[in-house]
Amino acid sequence: DAKTTQPPSMDCAEGRAANLPCNHSTISGNEYVYWYRQIHSQGPQYIIHGLKNNETNEMASLIITEDRKSSTLILPHATLRDTAVYYCIVRVGAGNNRKLIWGLGTSLAVNP
Amino acid sequence: DVKVTQSSRYLVKRTGEKVFLECVQDMDHENMFWYRQDPGLGLRLIYFSYDVKMKEKGDIPEGYSVSREKKERFSLILESASTNQTSMYLCASSFFTGGMALAKNIQYFGAGTRLSVL
Repeated sequence: DAKTTQPPSMDCAEGRAANLPCNHSTISGNEYVYWYRQIHSQGPQYIIHGLKNNETNEMASLIITEDRKSSTLILPHATLRDTAVYYCIVRVGAGNNRKLIWGLGTSLAVNP
Repeated sequence: DVKVTQSSRYLVKRTGEKVFLECVQDMDHENMFWYRQDPGLGLRLIYFSYDVKMKEKGDIPEGYSVSREKKERFSLILESASTNQTSMYLCASSFFTGGMALAKNIQYFGAGTRLSVL
């Protein structure tokens, strides 16, 4: 019962920006949006998260729309090592029953 | 750096065997999780634990049990392995932050154990 929707696959040229969209139209006001990625044969790796404001760290930028129904992860200068499956997920539940709901993600291929 | 270590990368077991998957984290995290990952289904939560000796069922607990005797270690047990439990198993850990409004509940994952049950 994933609460997010992402395109199954995307391509990006090496050195260009990769913009990965995510719809989370049913998100509630106090839920964060998290982004993880999973490189082949490895465990998922945290990238970034946000609530309302745009966020930036050393890996990526996260743009959240004002109505919070969608967001975009931006990899400003994609490299071949950014080829991975990218997951946009939200946290549900409260207290000790909080958990992340994972969808199928977007498979990003960065091409030389 | 946070390190989550899963005891095996690959395991091959026979139907009916009892299987133990071990996970150890070195960051004093309160929360630990076990997921399985299957093509077309994504990550599904099996069990999680927010403290020593505490456990909560996830979305697909049937056929599995867990043990958390020490804070750093979380074990997944398949009492009688079946072929439909062939999968990639992922362990994760995180701090307990308390309350929905707090931000950092980042999960750190191990490299995964690919289990084949024959």
